[in-house]
Amino acid sequence: DADVTQTPRNRITKTGKRIMLECSQTKGHDRMYWYRQDPGLGLRLIYYSFDVKDINKGEISDGYSVSRQAQAKFSLSLESAIPNQTALYFCATSDPDRANTGELFFGEGSRLTVL
Amino acid sequence: KNQVEQSPQSLIILEGKNCTLQCNYTVSPFSNLRWYKQDTGRGPVSLTIMTFSENTKSNGRYTATLDADTKQSSLHITASQLSDSASYICVVSEADSNYQLIWGAGTKLIIKP
Repeated sequence: DADVTQTPRNRITKTGKRIMLECSQTKGHDRMYWYRQDPGLGLRLIYYSFDVKDINKGEISDGYSVSRQAQAKFSLSLESAIPNQTALYFCATSDPDRANTGELFFGEGSRLTVL
Repeated sequence: KNQVEQSPQSLIILEGKNCTLQCNYTVSPFSNLRWYKQDTGRGPVSLTIMTFSENTKSNGRYTATLDADTKQSSLHITASQLSDSASYICVVSEADSNYQLIWGAGTKLIIKP
């Protein structure tokens, strides 16, 4: 079984619909992240959480929200999906360390298409 | 503005050949530089992480170099295999309070038999 599991792996939806992408991990890491990947661009950070009570906005948080339900679970929501949110979404985890050299462990990705 | 630029955008080589991928960055202050391998449709997987004091680091047939003075890094792949076909992404960590990661767009490498 994968250490970082994302569901769904693929989703097609319509403009205006609410979408939730879920992430669960068995690595025991405190830190979890949501990234977005678009063709020709580097990964961009949407939100990150350093523990259950901690939520931080990333580079592109507008139009998204997150929930850290437990150490192992971190969900990303699109309250009202729009076509330019069509992308590949990745959840990642890392061990906390002071210099932030902790390796990131990624899930398999969730491909979202908004029509 | 902090940026990470990779070259070439794409590269095709024959199986068994060597290749070198380039990464230039303007991130400052610098904390560390990472190389990730991303297979098509999969999540990135870490290859190496180098801090300021490290000039070179190897992981099997992958060797990364870092010149912090010129803000350049390279990833050298030796004796390429078909399984090396992937995107290779350079990521630089900014040494501020949040240690933000700046991601390059990646180099798409195709190995042909």
